[in-house]
Amino acid sequence: DAKTTQPTSMDCAEGRAANLPCNHSTISGNEYVYWYRQIHSQGPQYIIHGLKNNETNEMASLIITEDRKSSTLILPHATLRDTAVYYCIVRSIYNQGGKLIFGQGTELSVKP
Amino acid sequence: GAVVSQHPSWVICKSGTSVKIECRSLDFQATTMFWYRQFPKQSLMLMATSNEGSKATYEQGVEKDKFLINHASLTLSTLTVTSAHPEDSSFYICSAGLPDILNQPQHFGDGTRLSIL
Repeated sequence: DAKTTQPTSMDCAEGRAANLPCNHSTISGNEYVYWYRQIHSQGPQYIIHGLKNNETNEMASLIITEDRKSSTLILPHATLRDTAVYYCIVRSIYNQGGKLIFGQGTELSVKP
Repeated sequence: GAVVSQHPSWVICKSGTSVKIECRSLDFQATTMFWYRQFPKQSLMLMATSNEGSKATYEQGVEKDKFLINHASLTLSTLTVTSAHPEDSSFYICSAGLPDILNQPQHFGDGTRLSIL
């Protein structure tokens, strides 16, 4: 699975959009981009995933560049409860049954 | 949605004790589950893949005799930390996903915090 690069930390004002970038320049055609987040002392929570089209669900939007070498997770109206570590993970559709390899992620702090 | 439950959520025990952690898929059957370990201020590290009805697959550097995994049914995997020592103190997390459906997300338990005195 391709490696990802994320900023170590970011701040966001409450109520504003949080835009979390991820670089995955070595991504291949059979690899999806997944986003998870981990609130302190809890297990990771699935947010969203996509292949090449932009995706939106009740939690967030995922914007993938046309060349698929980077993506951005957007939390449209961040709240204090969105403070967490956000992980961008690239996973092959042929991945051995679904295991995920976590990088260091981005620590998002939403401030009042 | 898919729910994964872990038990216990917190355990404190003496050095030399063996500790068993359970991971259950509550509303789906999981032929494969995954065990991760997380130290403070670090990311999750995959330890092993638990396969229903067969032996677990361990990641490089993880001692299979130290971390015993049993996946006896489609809804339950257990991780036993044998003869635990203070260096085994960590946050242990399991995950599972719907089998045979490509590109469906893994769902995680809430983790077990293990403290060895």
